[in-house]
Amino acid sequence: KAGVTQTPRYLIKTRGQQVTLSCSPISGHRSVSWYQQTPGQGLQFLFEYFSETQRNKGNFPGRFSGRQFSNSRSEMNVSTLELGDSALYLCASSLATARYEQYFGPGTRLTVT
Amino acid sequence: QKEVEQNSGPLSVPEGAIASLNCTYSDRVSQSFFWYRQYSGKSPELIMSIYSNGDKEDGRFTAQLNKASQYVSLLIRDSQPSDSATYLCAVYLNTDKLIFGTGTRLQVFP
Repeated sequence: KAGVTQTPRYLIKTRGQQVTLSCSPISGHRSVSWYQQTPGQGLQFLFEYFSETQRNKGNFPGRFSGRQFSNSRSEMNVSTLELGDSALYLCASSLATARYEQYFGPGTRLTVT
Repeated sequence: QKEVEQNSGPLSVPEGAIASLNCTYSDRVSQSFFWYRQYSGKSPELIMSIYSNGDKEDGRFTAQLNKASQYVSLLIRDSQPSDSATYLCAVYLNTDKLIFGTGTRLQVFP
């Protein structure tokens, strides 16, 4: 069974731009969560989607948004990029019956210059 | 107080020894606990989950949960250099979120 895939794997953007990251979960997984990982803060929860609905969100500004499609694929968007948004963005998927046994994708490394 | 706390390490153990990794959490009603392993430059990988007080064994790994003391630990028996990684503790909090600790870096030397 294929794992979680994320595209693109690497991205360089300029401050003020916006970016969209994509995540395809493991087949059969309907829950998708997004995390930001930085050396100083570790893994920080962004949001969780299930059946196209945002089920929960972390403490990030409104510049961070996401959505989930009917095929469970998910996207996250960051508008008006700031230097501090440079991080590894990780997507994780899970079964509805084992919501917090999450399987991570390889991540998207975002660099904001 | 952080919601999930881990010693950042590094924890250095010789090959063949037992590595003991610890994690404390603040939410008394937490019910689900997880250990993830993250190799340098890679994404986290789920290695253990534990939901009840006591021990849960899986191969060389044993997770231990003590809800009264609010700690969860991971023991790695017969440690191998390939076990060298950062180990992340994650706790499902009453706020309906999975919160990760900042991880403990383990180094196993030959």
